Amino acid sequence: NAGVTQTPKFQVLKTGQSMTLQCAQDMNHEYMSWYRQDPGMGLRLIHYSVGAGITDQGEVPNGYNVSRSTTEDFPLRLLSAAPSQTSVYFCASSALQGARNSPLHFGNGTRLTVT
Amino acid sequence: DAKTTQPNSMESNEEEPVHLPCNHSTISGTDYIHWYRQLPSQGPEYVIHGLTSNVNNRMASLAIAEDRKSSTLILHRATLRDAAVYYCILRYSGSNYKLTFGKGTLLTVNP
Repeated sequence: NAGVTQTPKFQVLKTGQSMTLQCAQDMNHEYMSWYRQDPGMGLRLIHYSVGAGITDQGEVPNGYNVSRSTTEDFPLRLLSAAPSQTSVYFCASSALQGARNSPLHFGNGTRLTVT
Repeated sequence: DAKTTQPNSMESNEEEPVHLPCNHSTISGTDYIHWYRQLPSQGPEYVIHGLTSNVNNRMASLAIAEDRKSSTLILHRATLRDAAVYYCILRYSGSNYKLTFGKGTLLTVNP
């Protein structure tokens, strides 16, 4: 059982480049979300989705795009990378039915450096 | 939105119990209390959750105050592998899916 899989594990980008961070889950979870974690800042919510075709913004959405075409996948796109986006990115998922009573499952993260 | 407050850091000795506190004074009646921990260089992992009653599982126990304004995660015998950042969050009712994590409590376990 793979759970939540994030790729790549590490990425270095130059300012202005674009890339997509991939997140896939095999638990048929409706809820998926992206967080970024900076030193001393805890986890901050970027975007989330409650099902295919439905996405919404979190605390820090600027500079990031998301889409949800399938239940399994929730990619995060950086259209024009900036040094301020250097961070560790985590994807998480959970069941939506009874969401309050459902644990969040996290991936192992993507460490992104923008130079 | 209800928020949680945790101490920045705590220290414990190996084999001793650890009590990690969390305040959530604005919790609503249907919010669940969840605890997660993050080991170094890993993603957060689920530890335990509860609504009103105390809860136990193989990893820890969760003690919830009668007024639900605070809770305590209890590690019965700390090991070096329990050294991590522990997060207490609230999972809300209704359609509020913006789950917020604070900075958590950094637990250091001394051998």
